[in-house]
Amino acid sequence: SQQGEEDPQALSIQEGENATMNCSYKTSINNLQWYRQNSGRGLVHLILIRSNEREKHSGRLRVTLDTSKKSSSLLITASRAADTASYFCATDAERDMRFGAGTRLTVKP
Amino acid sequence: EAGVAQSPRYKIIEKRQSVAFWCNPISGHATLYWYQQILGQGPKLLIQFQNNGVVDDSQLPKDRFSAERLKGVDSTLKIQPAKLEDSAVYLCASSFGLDTQYFGPGTRLTVL
Repeated sequence: SQQGEEDPQALSIQEGENATMNCSYKTSINNLQWYRQNSGRGLVHLILIRSNEREKHSGRLRVTLDTSKKSSSLLITASRAADTASYFCATDAERDMRFGAGTRLTVKP
Repeated sequence: EAGVAQSPRYKIIEKRQSVAFWCNPISGHATLYWYQQILGQGPKLLIQFQNNGVVDDSQLPKDRFSAERLKGVDSTLKIQPAKLEDSAVYLCASSFGLDTQYFGPGTRLTVL
């Protein structure tokens, strides 16, 4: 069964705008990761945040984690057309990683 | 460094036929994963190896799917016999520990 659930399922914005995606999960975790998948290709790791961290930055990416609400958000600032992809959160449930169904982001030039 | 290699990239078979996929992880990565990704869904873990031992295969349909990782390096995933609902992309990933996973390009399987 899938552990994380992303919201919204789809998001369409203009280039230059910010994009925010959310992830909710069910059980306690050690870490939460965000991945990107371009159409027809493998997943690429974006960022990992541990359960004792609340916020993490990487370039134009900002991830927050609220373990009390069992939720995380991914913010992409100043989006570009190349950011068009599906974004997945993945959580470690005991020993293995569980992925959500993803958010499909479309950035219009 | 070289990434995770998978082959073939595409495979079309008829139902009830058999098929095998191959994965070569990043050198030195002890953990190897096989995922099934159906169109429009997130990856679903089928099996996880630590070296040549199975850590988790709870979601592997063992009546038709099998996987092995002899010598703790490359791995094969087999489906025998295939069903229509097995049409999906099969992703292989590897990791040094249990954190960041590095994914291969995947094998797109179409079962007719």
